[in-house]
Amino acid sequence: DAKTTQPPSMDCAEGRAANLPCNHSTISGNEYVYWYRQIHSQGPQYIIHGLKNNETNEMASLIITEDRKSSTLILPHATLRDTAVYYCIVRVGAGGTSYGKLTFGQGTILTVHP
Amino acid sequence: DTEVTQTPKHLVMGMTNKKSLKCEQHMGHRAMYWYKQKAKKPPELMFVYSYEKLSINESVPSRFSPECPNSSLLNLHLHALQPEDSALYLCASSQDRGRNYGYTFGSGTRLTVV
Repeated sequence: DAKTTQPPSMDCAEGRAANLPCNHSTISGNEYVYWYRQIHSQGPQYIIHGLKNNETNEMASLIITEDRKSSTLILPHATLRDTAVYYCIVRVGAGGTSYGKLTFGQGTILTVHP
Repeated sequence: DTEVTQTPKHLVMGMTNKKSLKCEQHMGHRAMYWYKQKAKKPPELMFVYSYEKLSINESVPSRFSPECPNSSLLNLHLHALQPEDSALYLCASSQDRGRNYGYTFGSGTRLTVV
């Protein structure tokens, strides 16, 4: 599985954009980048995913570099409720028995301050 | 219905007990998953079911026995557990195992083995 590297923790002021980086230098051409978050004591929540183009939805934007070796999740206007652990995951590509597996790394603890 | 429902929310069991965790979804998803999460750690994949068949077993001890009676229901049968098996057990589902589908997670069952 392609591994991801994220900073262990980040802080952000409420109302400002939170930019969460992720390195995935061994990603394969057919592997997707997924972002999930987990608020304390809840199940993980899907945020967004992408292959090579930038993606945006109602929650966040995902910027993937042209070489696909890194990506950034952007929460445009962070609120206190966005305080959570954010996981960047490379989803196993097609072929083989492990395809589609979602393997969580350590994640980034994002703390949004008033 | 866009939820994954897990019951019970909390469970305390002795090491000689037999208990079951239940997971249900009515989104028409054909892949279902069990994860285990210890405190302050990321979720770890245990089992993957695809179209009601066990596709992946991540070398989980036999005291954990999954079952998928139909496409909406996933059970995890527990027997002779150890105190170190105490954790949050998360169920998830996705449209299928394909890499382009996000997972929907339940809120989990918090299990304590005494």
